[in-house]
Amino acid sequence: DQQVKQNSPSLSVQEGRISILNCDYTNSMFDYFLWYKKYPAEGPTFLISISSIKDKNEDGRFTVFLNKSAKHLSLHIVPSQPGDSAVYFCAASPNTGNQFYFGTGTSLTVIP
Amino acid sequence: EPEVTQTPSHQVTQMGQEVILRCVPISNHLYFYWYRQILGQKVEFLVSFYNNEISEKSEIFDDQFSVERPDGSNFTLKIRSTKLEDSAMYFCASSEARDRQFFGPGTRLTVL
Repeated sequence: DQQVKQNSPSLSVQEGRISILNCDYTNSMFDYFLWYKKYPAEGPTFLISISSIKDKNEDGRFTVFLNKSAKHLSLHIVPSQPGDSAVYFCAASPNTGNQFYFGTGTSLTVIP
Repeated sequence: EPEVTQTPSHQVTQMGQEVILRCVPISNHLYFYWYRQILGQKVEFLVSFYNNEISEKSEIFDDQFSVERPDGSNFTLKIRSTKLEDSAMYFCASSEARDRQFFGPGTRLTVL
């Protein structure tokens, strides 16, 4: 069951630069997407969401882009800060329910 | 800020024993969820609960598992006859509606 994929297990970025985390999905019924950040020994923390009626949502340093035709979404963090170092998960939900399918995560390291 | 709490933080049990994992969701939330994350793997949906009944469950959530909302605040996951492969982090989450879910810090279950 790989309905949501994050193909990059890790990413390193210099402080102040842009971090781009990618996520692909296969189920065309997905219509709501979220990004979570997770620190070790803690639960995932909600970052930002987007519904399929939009192609962009912005919240401070975080912007999520959705390309429905490509079944692809990305999270941009600008500027990246050392405190952003964590594992980032994308999650998607179909319009038929509220079960969320998670990707495998991308570990982001922001280098000071 | 309100948060989801989980107890215990770590549970060690012998194979074949029953365990109960406890969660206190955010008080005005109506939807409750359990997820698990086996070490090194993705977060997996187990079950969602709304209006005092299961609304969705995954293939993982078989007869070994059950959920209950025994009172107005607690939400529990019971695992009967635990197996070695049940060892994982178990996360509880809650949400007001079909949108962002707030996660608890997790319970680490170790089955010996």
